[in-house]
Order: sequence, then C-alpha cells, then structure tokens
Amino acid sequence: ETGVTQSPTHLIKTRGQQVTLRCSSQSGHNTVSWYQQALGQGPQFIFQYYREEENGRGNFPPRFSGLQFPNYSSELNVNALELDDSALYLCASSPRGLRWGTDTQYFGPGTRLTVL
Amino acid sequence: AQSVTQPDIHITVSEGASLELRCNYSYGATPYLFWYVQSPGQGLQLLLKYFSGDTLVQGIKGFEAEFKRSQSSFNLRKPSVHWSDAAEYFCAVGALLKEGKLIFGQGTELSVKP
Repeated sequence: ETGVTQSPTHLIKTRGQQVTLRCSSQSGHNTVSWYQQALGQGPQFIFQYYREEENGRGNFPPRFSGLQFPNYSSELNVNALELDDSALYLCASSPRGLRWGTDTQYFGPGTRLTVL
Repeated sequence: AQSVTQPDIHITVSEGASLELRCNYSYGATPYLFWYVQSPGQGLQLLLKYFSGDTLVQGIKGFEAEFKRSQSSFNLRKPSVHWSDAAEYFCAVGALLKEGKLIFGQGTELSVKP
C-alpha cells in the first residue's frame, strides 16, 4: 500500500511569484487536506477537498487555492508569495474526512517552501 | 473556540526513563483526539487516537495515552524511552465540523539523554 506522497521536497521562490505543490493520496482515500506548518509551530489547516470539491477552509487568504483530481490527487496553489509563506506544507489523506467523525488523517512528508 | 495546549515546549529525559507529555484541549462536545510524532524534516506519523470507549488507548512504539474528560486532558506516556523517540510530538483534536479539520497544539520537542 502506497502512502501519501508529495512533490517537490524542497522549493525556493521569490516574493510575488506563484507556486504549485502536489500531493498523491493514499490508496482508497478520497479526501485530501492541506496544512501549513511554520517553523516551531503546529500545523494549521488550510483547506480540505472531498470528491473534487472544497469541503472546508481555514483562515487563509484567497491566494491560497487548491484542486482535487478524479484520481483524488491534489494541488495547492499559492499566488503572490509573501515571506511569511515560508513553511512546511503538509498534505494528509483520509477515507472520508473528519466530517464523518472517525476517519484518521495520514500525512505525507511535506514540501519545504522558502520564499526569499 | 476549539484549541489544544501543550504546556511543555521542550522536554529532556534520560534513556530508559519514563515519559509523560501533556495535552489539554478546549472543545464543547466529545472530542476526537490524536497524537502524532514528527521526526526532523519529516511528515507526521500517527501514534494513537481516541474516539470513544476505553479512556486508556494503546498506540505504536509502546506509547499510550489517557483521556480524562474532567481535566480536558489527553496525556501521552511511555514507560521507558529509547533514544530513537527523540522527535517533536503533536496533540490534535478533530471534530464533527464541516471543515473536517484537525486542530494541533504547538508541539513538544523531546530530547533523550544517553
């Protein structure tokens, strides 16, 4: 069974640029959540996708957007990058999403984004 | 608002000693509670979870946690720490929210002395 994978592993961008991060969910999982983890902090929820639709969103501006594809893989797009966007971006997949109560989220290794 | 507090930012224990990491949560209904571990540069690995039933739950790598509703706590324990346990530990609460999100604490960094 393949776990959650993310690409790229590391990324360096400059302020104002745009970035796309990718995530492949674990086999059999149809829900993907994205989290931002700043240095020394716990992960913060960005949004969740279930069956290709946004299922919920955290306190992040609209320049953070996402997609989920029919194979349940997902992308996180960030426009107009700011220095504070430097963080580890984690993707997690689950069978149905916590909305249904007991599903556990399984995390990928993350993408380290540095904005200069 | 839902929140998770991990009072200890950094803990150091000797190898072979016992360990307890504290977690307190704020949530109006029955919470779903998780402990994750993160090694440097890695993603999060699930150690254990509590949904209902027995308040003492067993996890991987010899860890256990006890849910105490009266204290709003979900502390993680291990009777004998190994050097490989050195990592960052996160407590999280999930709930039947539309967003389906996890709310994480700030984390506790564990160092293990030889």
